[in-house]
Amino acid sequence: EDQVTQSPEALRLQEGESSSLNCSYTVSGLRGLFWYRQDPGKGPEFLFTLYSAGEEKEKERLKATLTKKESFLHITAPKPEDSATYLCAVQEISSGSARQLTFGSGTQLTVLP
Amino acid sequence: NAGVTQTPKFRVLKTGQSMTLLCAQDMNHEYMYWYRQDPGMGLRLIHYSVGEGTTAKGEVPDGYNVSRLKKQNFLLGLESAAPSQTSVYFCASAPIAGGRETQYFGPGTRLLVL
Repeated sequence: EDQVTQSPEALRLQEGESSSLNCSYTVSGLRGLFWYRQDPGKGPEFLFTLYSAGEEKEKERLKATLTKKESFLHITAPKPEDSATYLCAVQEISSGSARQLTFGSGTQLTVLP
Repeated sequence: NAGVTQTPKFRVLKTGQSMTLLCAQDMNHEYMYWYRQDPGMGLRLIHYSVGEGTTAKGEVPDGYNVSRLKKQNFLLGLESAAPSQTSVYFCASAPIAGGRETQYFGPGTRLLVL
């Protein structure tokens, strides 16, 4: 059974204090790993997709990396507006034409000014 | 481009009542999905569609039905609402992209069943 575990559940940082969020996964064959950002009361907003181990993607203060067992979302010098819940999801090769995602429970990030 | 829209934004139902949630997308996407989000459990797939006129069950389909009569719309129905269906419901859509499809989400519908 697919499993996606995110840690920590919650993280509080001071503005400018860099850190990393973790997403560990167990799938028989990974098609892609997705990162989303979700603000309170809103739908998930797409950030990145990673397809193979060693791949990295960046967007402003965020950088996502992928290994065969986990992904990290590195946040460099965060600002209060980076406060949100960050969701990780995996798409397995065996999902076939459905392309369905299995989500983790998320990491709630709070950046204090 | 409105993207993915959901109607209504919020609804209160009594146990046993029925309702339909509407999802619409204007991106000409083939795939559409309905998820529910509950505290501490992440997003779970209810039903999905890989094209107009097709639907299939996801991880938690019991108590829900869906229809996709038009490519741009995906309806989620609750025939007899139960308190366990209190949740936030999200619709998503994705284009066909050779195995590199990205799902784009709507703003959600908050449902409270009393």
